[in-house]
Amino acid sequence: DAKTTQPTSMDCAEGRAANLPCNHSTISGNEYVYWYRQIHSQGPQYIIHGLKNNETNEMASLIITEDRKSSTLILPHATLRDTAVYYCIALGGSQGNLIFGKGTKLSVKP
Amino acid sequence: GAVVSQHPSRVICKSGTSVKIECRSLDFQATTMFWYRQFPKQSLMLMATSNEGSKATYEQGVEKDKFLINHASLTLSTLTVTSAHPEDSSFYICSAKLIGPDTQYFGPGTRLTVL
Repeated sequence: DAKTTQPTSMDCAEGRAANLPCNHSTISGNEYVYWYRQIHSQGPQYIIHGLKNNETNEMASLIITEDRKSSTLILPHATLRDTAVYYCIALGGSQGNLIFGKGTKLSVKP
Repeated sequence: GAVVSQHPSRVICKSGTSVKIECRSLDFQATTMFWYRQFPKQSLMLMATSNEGSKATYEQGVEKDKFLINHASLTLSTLTVTSAHPEDSSFYICSAKLIGPDTQYFGPGTRLTVL
């Protein structure tokens, strides 16, 4: 599975959009980009995933560049409860396993 | 939808005892369940992959005789930490995968403390 790189930490003001970048320059054609988040002392929560097209759900939007080498997770109106570690993972095929890196620690501040 | 539960949420035990953790998919059937371990300030590490009706596949460095995994049905997998020692104290998290798609849904985790 492709390796991803993310900034270690980010801050965001409450009510503003949080844009979390992820680089996956070695991603292969059949690998999806998955985003999870982990709030302190809880299990990870699935957010969204995509292959080539941009995706949106009730939690977030996922913007994938045309060359698929990077993506951005957008939380449109961040709240204090969005403070968490966000993981970007490239995963392909039915045999692949989620490999969690260090993620981005997002702090939403009042 | 796609809710995964774990029981217990927290357990404290004496060194040398065995502890069983249950992982259930509440509203879907999961052919594959995963067990992870997370030490303080570290990321999740995959311990083993469990397929219903067959033996679990363990990651390198994980002792299969110490961490017994049973996946007897499409909605239940159990992890038993045998002869637990203080170094086994950790946050254990399971996940379940829907039949077909790759999306995994995680349980809330079990905090194990071995005295």
